[in-house]
Amino acid sequence: QKEVEQNSGPLSVPEGAIASLNCTYSDRVSQSFFWYRQYSGKSPELIMSIYSNGDKEDGRFTAQLNKASQYVSLLIRDSQPSDSATYLCAVVLGGSSGSARQLTFGSGTQLTVLP
Amino acid sequence: NAGVTQTPKFRILKIGQSMTLQCTQDMNHNYMYWYRQDPGMGLKLIYYSVGAGITDKGEVPNGYNVSRSTTEDFPLRLELAAPSQTSVYFCASSRSVYGSGSRGTQYFGPGTRLLVL
Repeated sequence: QKEVEQNSGPLSVPEGAIASLNCTYSDRVSQSFFWYRQYSGKSPELIMSIYSNGDKEDGRFTAQLNKASQYVSLLIRDSQPSDSATYLCAVVLGGSSGSARQLTFGSGTQLTVLP
Repeated sequence: NAGVTQTPKFRILKIGQSMTLQCTQDMNHNYMYWYRQDPGMGLKLIYYSVGAGITDKGEVPNGYNVSRSTTEDFPLRLELAAPSQTSVYFCASSRSVYGSGSRGTQYFGPGTRLLVL
């Protein structure tokens, strides 16, 4: 089982719709979760972080965390063509030291918002 | 602030050649990281540093070396390049480690695209 799993997509939604991106992780003790957006040929940029169970909203973006079920999701409301990108889920997996406390990335979900 | 800068942007290497990928940050961040990203994949951590003079291996360190003599610079050395090292390399930095709120946010450089033939 991969440590951080995402559906690779591609996921296509019409403009104005809600895009839902999901991520599952293997380590029950993980505490920190992140969503990065990566445009084609560009570097990742952080769009959301979440540490507690429940929802966290920032503009059109909502991150949802369920530690008991070990999943984190990202909702994008009123999707725009400019949201078309690959979305990377990243988790700080459990572990007491060293690289085990660094970010582990999923392979990303490619989102296309159709005008 | 320029943020995180990387050079070169693109490089073609022959098998067995060596090169150094440069990374510099001007945000006075203690933590720096090197990742590689293969096509259609997420990022994998190669090496990281928690401060000048301190480095540690990540998930995929084989074939690479790093040094951190200053806070600003974190070069990545490829010795004896192999086709398996064809990838996009990203450098990142953060003020602190994750778990410390926004101070743990990683800022990425623009990347270096490396092709080994």
